Amino acid sequence: EAQVTQNPRYLITVTGKKLTVTCSQNMNHEYMSWYRQDPGLGLRQIYYSMNVEVTDKGDVPEGYKVSRKEKRNFPLILESPSPNQTSLYFCASSLRVAGGVYEQYFGPGTRLTVT
Amino acid sequence: QQQVKQSPQSLIVQKGGISIINCAYENTAFDYFPWYQQFPGKGPALLIAIRPDVSEKKEGRFTISFNKSAKQFSLHIMDSQPGDSATYFCAATESNFGNEKLTFGTGTRLTIIP
Repeated sequence: EAQVTQNPRYLITVTGKKLTVTCSQNMNHEYMSWYRQDPGLGLRQIYYSMNVEVTDKGDVPEGYKVSRKEKRNFPLILESPSPNQTSLYFCASSLRVAGGVYEQYFGPGTRLTVT
Repeated sequence: QQQVKQSPQSLIVQKGGISIINCAYENTAFDYFPWYQQFPGKGPALLIAIRPDVSEKKEGRFTISFNKSAKQFSLHIMDSQPGDSATYFCAATESNFGNEKLTFGTGTRLTIIP
């Protein structure tokens, strides 16, 4: 089954304790990205990757890191989490379709709480 | 600055009625406008999308209407069903071989009542 998986799905942690949220896709997509979803703000892009070893900042990259060492994996790293990073996080991977646009497929989400 | 404005924030529609959600954008470089449907505990899923070279696209009970001059687009759900109850997001992007970032609206929570 074609899918984007994220782990963990739920995480409660304390300020300053490094954490990693994993993302994996089995569709051989080149493009992957991370979004955070907050009430009243919709989804905002954190980081994206056009291919292996190619990553760049989205709209809200502060406090986050990413890496893309393999095509299928795109982990999100919070080196020193703070309460304002409490949010619902989504990983997405994209398939380029006719007309030059990308259809993005989202993972199930990771709900992170930082106390 | 919100580049894609979505309204209403919440919407209650009777079963069988028409649900209408509106979005407006500012960036004239946007050239792809998808709508996503999100159920509780799930990630957003692509519902229907349109390019600005057409004014309307219909897939089953779902229709996007697009007004390029007004920079507005809307989602119409005909014969709304309880199973359509979800949060809907409009989005926009530029298909310019660069960052395929989706700029999302703030979402509309749709509730279909029997």
